[in-house]
Amino acid sequence: DTAVSQTPKYLVTQMGNDKSIKCEQNLGHDTMYWYKQDSKKFLKIMFSYNNKELIINETVPNRFSPKSPDKAHLNLHINSLELGDSAVYFCASSQGEGPWGNEQFFGPGTRLTVL
Amino acid sequence: SQQGEEDPQALSIQEGENATMNCSYKTSINNLQWYRQNSGRGLVHLILIRSNEREKHSGRLRVTLDTSKKSSSLLITASRAADTASYFCATLAYGAQKLVFGQGTRLTINP
Repeated sequence: DTAVSQTPKYLVTQMGNDKSIKCEQNLGHDTMYWYKQDSKKFLKIMFSYNNKELIINETVPNRFSPKSPDKAHLNLHINSLELGDSAVYFCASSQGEGPWGNEQFFGPGTRLTVL
Repeated sequence: SQQGEEDPQALSIQEGENATMNCSYKTSINNLQWYRQNSGRGLVHLILIRSNEREKHSGRLRVTLDTSKKSSSLLITASRAADTASYFCATLAYGAQKLVFGQGTRLTINP
């Protein structure tokens, strides 16, 4: 009965590898997000999708590519991983109108460590 | 640039005491939200306050908003050990499509 789920919870990989993080929400929300939280706990939005359409694409390296196969899923693929990509990545979702005005529901996070 | 900034960065109090955290921001906002993050977990939404509201309550939580000072405060009354967490404010600026989070206040409740 998890609302927003992410897999995997932990991801340890070598520099240069390609990896994916999956996110699913069962809340019926129309909007989904990816955030990155760095070691100083600073949380910054990367992408948001509304009904499978890209709304927000922050200044994120194009090694990061989100994919939304349907409005319940938003996956994050990262190519050519770098040391600086190490962080905790959070998926989130919100209801209806889009990101404006509504509370967001967060997944448990994926801790990515690049060696 | 970062919108919300919490103050203090860390706060340690005794169980039963009240905890107050502040958030300042720079631009006009549509709403301001407070979230809690327990260690190793995702963020949990606490309260959303809109720009035309001045105060909201939810259980032991009280949030105030002063748009003239561009600041908000979160008060947790009768704190409990389970309140130990990081607390973040997030702002939605007018015309924006994203929440901007501050760096949080780390609250520790000592038994």
